[in-house]
Amino acid sequence: NAGVTQTPKFRILKIGQSMTLQCTQDMNHNYMYWYRQDPGMGLKLIYYSVGAGITDKGEVPNGYNVSRSTTEDFPLRLELAAPSQTSVYFCASSWALTSGIDNEQFFGPGTRLTVL
Amino acid sequence: EDQVTQSPEALRLQEGESSSLNCSYTVSGLRGLFWYRQDPGKGPEFLFTLYSAGEEKEKERLKATLTKKESFLHITAPKPEDSATYLCALRTGANNLFFGTGTRLTVIP
Repeated sequence: NAGVTQTPKFRILKIGQSMTLQCTQDMNHNYMYWYRQDPGMGLKLIYYSVGAGITDKGEVPNGYNVSRSTTEDFPLRLELAAPSQTSVYFCASSWALTSGIDNEQFFGPGTRLTVL
Repeated sequence: EDQVTQSPEALRLQEGESSSLNCSYTVSGLRGLFWYRQDPGKGPEFLFTLYSAGEEKEKERLKATLTKKESFLHITAPKPEDSATYLCALRTGANNLFFGTGTRLTVIP
C-alpha cells in the first residue's frame, strides 16, 4: 500500500492564481481530511469528508474548496491565492469512528505552498 | 472551548538522558488524546491514543500517560533517532483532531 499520497510536493503561486492540491489514499478509508501547518502553529483542520459525496468545513475553511467524488480522492482547491495561504498542507485519512479501535489518522507527506 | 498546550516548545537532551514532554488540555468530554511524531519535511506519524485517566501505553523508549488534565510522553534513555517534533491532539467531532503546537526534541549523541 502506498498509504496517503499528495501532489505536488512544492508549488509557488502568484497572488490571484488558482490551483488544486491532490490527495489519494489506497486504504479504503471512509474519512479524509485537509490540514494546514504554519510555523509555530498546530495543524489546523481546513475541510473533512466522512464519505464520498459528503464534505464539511473545519476550523479554517475560508479561501478553499473541496470535493469527494470517490472514496480514494479528496482534492483541495485554492481559488484566488493569497499570501496568507502560504503554508504546508497535509492530507490525512482514517477509518470511520468506531469504538474499540484507535481510528488514528494516516498523513501524507505534505505539499509546501508559497504564494508571492 | 477545547484547548491543547504543549510544553516545553523545545527540548535538548543528551543521549541516554530521560525526560518527559507535557500536553495540558481542556475539553468538555475527552474522546481520545493522540500522540504523533513528526520528522522534518514529513507528515505526522501516529504513536498512541489514550482514552481515560490512568491509562498508559508504551512503545520502545516511549511511554504515554493520561490524567484528567494532562498527558505526558516519557522518553527513557533517548537516542539521536528519537529527535523529532512530538504533537499532541484531542479528538473532536467526527474523528477530527485538534492539535497542539508540538515539542521539538533534539537528542545529542
